[in-house]
Amino acid sequence: NAGVTQTPKFRILKIGQSMTLQCAQDMNHNYMYWYRQDPGMGLKLIYYSVGAGITDKGEVPNGYNVSRSTTEDFPLRLELAAPSQTSVYFCASSYSSSHNSPLHFGNGTRLTVT
Amino acid sequence: QKEVEQNSGPLSVPEGAIASLNCTYSDRGSQSFFWYRQYSGKSPELIMFIYSNGDKEDGRFTAQLNKASQYVSLLIRDSQPSDSATYLCAVRDNYGQNFVFGPGTRLSVLP
Repeated sequence: NAGVTQTPKFRILKIGQSMTLQCAQDMNHNYMYWYRQDPGMGLKLIYYSVGAGITDKGEVPNGYNVSRSTTEDFPLRLELAAPSQTSVYFCASSYSSSHNSPLHFGNGTRLTVT
Repeated sequence: QKEVEQNSGPLSVPEGAIASLNCTYSDRGSQSFFWYRQYSGKSPELIMFIYSNGDKEDGRFTAQLNKASQYVSLLIRDSQPSDSATYLCAVRDNYGQNFVFGPGTRLSVLP
C-alpha cells in the first residue's frame, strides 16, 4: 500500500522557473492538502481539495496553483519561482471530514529556489 | 485567524521520565485534535487523536483534552531516546475541512 506519493524528492529551481510538484494517493481519500514547512515555522496550508473538481485556498496560496481532476491526484504548480518559495512541501490526504479521519502525509519535496 | 500555540522547546527530559507537551488553540468551535511526531528530515506521522473531553491512552502516550480551556496535551510515559523528535499539534476546524498546525515542540530525551 503506497499511501501518499510525492515526486520529486528534491528539486533546485532558478528564480522565474516553473515546476509542478506531483502528489498521488491510493487510499480513495476525498480530501487532499498541500502544506509548506519552513524551519521552525510549523506547517502552513497552501491549497486543499474536498473532492475531484473542487479546490480552495489555504493560508498561503500566493504563487501557487492546483487542480484536482481525479480523486487520486492533486498536483501543485509553482509559477515564476521566487526564493521565498524555498521550503519543504508536504502533500497529505484524509478520508473524510469526520473527527476520526486524520491526515496521512507523503514523504515531502524539498525545494530550493536560487 | 485560527491559531494553534505550542512551546517551541527544546524540552529536555531524562530517559524513563514523563514528557508533557502542551497545545492551546483559538477556535472554540474546533472539534478534533491530533498529535504528530516528526523526526528531522522526515514527514509527520500520526501518534493519536482525541475529540472528547478527558483522557485517551494508547500505549505510552496519553492525550488530554479540555475544550473549555481550549487546551490539549500529550503525555509520554517512560520516555526513550527514540522519542526525541518534534511534536506537532494539529486542530481540525468545525467544518472538518482544514487542519491548523502549531509550530511544534522539540523534545530531547537524554540517555
